[in-house]
Amino acid sequence: EDQVTQSPEALRLQEGESSSLNCSYTVSGLRGLFWYRQDPGKGPEFLFTLYSAGEEKEKERLKATLTKKESFLHITAPKPEDSATYLCAVQDPAGQGAQKLVFGQGTRLTINP
Amino acid sequence: DAGVIQSPRHEVTEMGQEVTLRCKPISGHDYLFWYRQTMMRGLELLIYFNNNVPIDDSGMPEDRFSAKMPNASFSTLKIQPSEPRDSAVYFCASSYQPTLFFGPGTRLTVL
Repeated sequence: EDQVTQSPEALRLQEGESSSLNCSYTVSGLRGLFWYRQDPGKGPEFLFTLYSAGEEKEKERLKATLTKKESFLHITAPKPEDSATYLCAVQDPAGQGAQKLVFGQGTRLTINP
Repeated sequence: DAGVIQSPRHEVTEMGQEVTLRCKPISGHDYLFWYRQTMMRGLELLIYFNNNVPIDDSGMPEDRFSAKMPNASFSTLKIQPSEPRDSAVYFCASSYQPTLFFGPGTRLTVL
């Protein structure tokens, strides 16, 4: 069964148009939820880790929030350089050493100038 | 630090050939992961090591796949024999804390 589901699959925005990406998860006993950014032809780049419901993290125009069932990545006044695929991942509760991450399919974000 | 280093960056081979992908993790990281990424299946964990010891290889698709980590600074993923369905981008990642740091990937094309 899917543990991590991201929506939408793709999102196209105009520069300055704020929006949110969603990541819903079904694992029980969440030990950590991660957001990564992936540019074409590159490996995923770490953005945030969230551990408990109500937690928020910010970096420039990005803010990640966490509830008991889902996480949101809010993008405020985006710029074209924010265009990328954003990946969400959770620590697999069955993974030894709490290191195994299960990734969603990602949201492909395009910001038009 | 140079980050996670992978080689080669691109590999084109013919079906039936042996393929070896290489990875140098970030110094001091005690976990190393091999992931595969395709359009259809996204990022899938193949295998991971802790202190050079394989911990979970349940994601390795078939016996054609094998991975080794002879020391803390080097790991290989081998496919023998390769098949067209193995075409994908293979990522190596390392970590000390829960955060994974990914390499640039190896794009494998099997003809």
